[in-house]
Amino acid sequence: AQSVTQPDIHITVSEGASLELRCNYSYGATPYLFWYVQSPGQGLQLLLKYFSGDTLVQGIKGFEAEFKRSQSSFNLRKPSVHWSDAAEYFCAVGDNTNAGKSTFGDGTTLTVKP
Amino acid sequence: NAGVTQTPKFRILKIGQSMTLQCTQDMNHNYMYWYRQDPGMGLKLIYYSVGAGITDKGEVPNGYNVSRSTTEDFPLRLELAAPSQTSVYFCASSSTGTGNIQYFGAGTRLSVL
Repeated sequence: AQSVTQPDIHITVSEGASLELRCNYSYGATPYLFWYVQSPGQGLQLLLKYFSGDTLVQGIKGFEAEFKRSQSSFNLRKPSVHWSDAAEYFCAVGDNTNAGKSTFGDGTTLTVKP
Repeated sequence: NAGVTQTPKFRILKIGQSMTLQCTQDMNHNYMYWYRQDPGMGLKLIYYSVGAGITDKGEVPNGYNVSRSTTEDFPLRLELAAPSQTSVYFCASSSTGTGNIQYFGAGTRLSVL
């Protein structure tokens, strides 16, 4: 069965600092991998996705993520965090064979200090 | 283009009451999903559908029912509300044409007291 682990429940960074959110997955084949962001009181919005090809993927809002098969990781990065990036971030692994279902991690809450 | 629309946004139920959470999408997606999100937790899949007339259980289906009579609509029914069903409920849709990216509604916050 597929699973996702986000080791960091809560991260605090200063505005302008770099950010890395960790994600480890378990999946039997080549995974579909996603990062979603959830602002307070809102639904989830896709930041970026990896299906195949280049292992460094670019997303919206200046985010990027790198797929590392050997480490079963898909970490999210941003070079310089803005106060508006404060939100909850979810990593997900998608089942590309079964109704498009995704398994989500428990999320990482990002706080940005001024 | 409205995307995925959920109603109501908030609801308070008494124990034992029933209600239906509505979800509709206008993107002609074949797949639809219902999740619940408890505080500090990720999303748990309740039910999903791969097309009109076809539904299946997810991880946490007990206490819920669904139907999918049209491509657009995927209502979630709570028959006998219990305090354990206090949560935020999200509906989502996707299609193979979008690479199974899921598009989410804004959620329904439900309290059972």
